Amino acid sequence: AQTVTQSQPEMSVQEAETVTLSCTYDTSESDYYLFWYKQPPSRQMILVIRQEAYKQQNATENRFSVNFQKAAKSFSLKISDSQLGDAAMYFCAYRSQAGANSKLTFGKGITLSVRP
Amino acid sequence: GAVVSQHPSRVICKSGTSVKIECRSLDFQATTMFWYRQFPKQSLMLMATSNEGSKATYEQGVEKDKFLINHASLTLSTLTVTSAHPEDSSFYICSARGPLGGSYNEQFFGPGTRLTVL
Repeated sequence: AQTVTQSQPEMSVQEAETVTLSCTYDTSESDYYLFWYKQPPSRQMILVIRQEAYKQQNATENRFSVNFQKAAKSFSLKISDSQLGDAAMYFCAYRSQAGANSKLTFGKGITLSVRP
Repeated sequence: GAVVSQHPSRVICKSGTSVKIECRSLDFQATTMFWYRQFPKQSLMLMATSNEGSKATYEQGVEKDKFLINHASLTLSTLTVTSAHPEDSSFYICSARGPLGGSYNEQFFGPGTRLTVL
């Protein structure tokens, strides 16, 4: 079974600064997807960024980028120029490529606070 | 973009009653739907996976008779909490995904339903 580990329960960043959220995972599969989701106080889950394991290039979405290290099974999220609206709980997630019913496996999440 | 709605957003009920939560995919056909439960400041816990027209697959430890899931159409799934008790109070989130290889093969989340059982 796959596991996703987010070892830091909380982090804080100064507005306009950069912060990196860590995530490691364990799998025996070679093809899979990795995701970062944001859950603000409204509790609506929002997809931040997605990475396909077969792609060597790290995914980027505006101020959000990942550092995907497949051999190390590491998938960290970097938030640049942090904004107050980035304050939320962030979840790292894994999904197998195989099958229509493949499930998301979530990490425990990390609460990010942004200091003005 | 793909939108998933949930109704109601909040519900308060008395112990022993049943509560139904609806999940709809508004602009795509959801071949697979997922139901999660989330406690405050914790991760999402998958309860069950359902495909349109077939029985749901429940995760280990989830009571099938207590949490009834119906995926009657490609745009609607329902979760019924039967004989609810205070320990069932939680935040319930649904998620929907379109067919493999299609434009909506991502998992899109509903806004959640807060259930309080008195």
